[in-house]
Amino acid sequence: QVQLQESGPGLVKPSQTVSLTCSVSGDSISSINYYWSWVRQTAGKRLECIGRIYASGSTNYNPTLKSRVTISADKTKNQFSLRLNSVTAADTAVYYCARARADCFDGLCYTWFDSWGQGTLVTVSS
Amino acid sequence: DIVMTQSPDSLAVSLGERATINCKSSQSVLRSSNNKNYLAWYQQKPGQPPKVLFYWASTRESGVPDRFSATGSGTDFTLTISSLQAEDVAIYYCQQYYGTLWTFGQGTKVEIK
Repeated sequence: QVQLQESGPGLVKPSQTVSLTCSVSGDSISSINYYWSWVRQTAGKRLECIGRIYASGSTNYNPTLKSRVTISADKTKNQFSLRLNSVTAADTAVYYCARARADCFDGLCYTWFDSWGQGTLVTVSS
Repeated sequence: DIVMTQSPDSLAVSLGERATINCKSSQSVLRSSNNKNYLAWYQQKPGQPPKVLFYWASTRESGVPDRFSATGSGTDFTLTISSLQAEDVAIYYCQQYYGTLWTFGQGTKVEIK
């Protein structure tokens, strides 16, 4: 049974960078069957995909956030991380890490989320 | 971007009665080359993360009770709870994974009448 756990600061000042880490147990982030992803949920309960990373290190990002987002992985610790820079109040949300099951076709991989962490609230405020 | 629109935003159903949630995509999420609909359904109970119920529009995730069913193709999809139980109180989301940007519907809140 895979388990994911987010960690990171709960409060960040505007214009700063938020860094979150997801610790994975019960599965390896080197698995070829999954992508490792970040999703956030605003106070209005809207869900937004941020991006994902594959075992090879390849990443895909939400185009609306791409200029501010970096997702990386540390295979030795079985962790992956999110960095979001130049944050504003609009980035206040619960941030989830999630495992995404991959189905690849014609060289592209399509994923849905089959396991989630409990989420961590990030508040952007001065 | 593919926009996912759910209806209704909320509904209240008596215990044991049927609940029906609709999801419409702004463009088809059916890939004709493999005849698969790139759509998933999730359930989010209060204070918990979302949990996948269905993927490929109608493939039930292991452990999901069979009172839940999902149908649809192309742009129109439906999630049905045939006999609502108290533990089904939650927000339900559809999500497309067809495009390069994976998007969710706004959610439908299901409550007990």
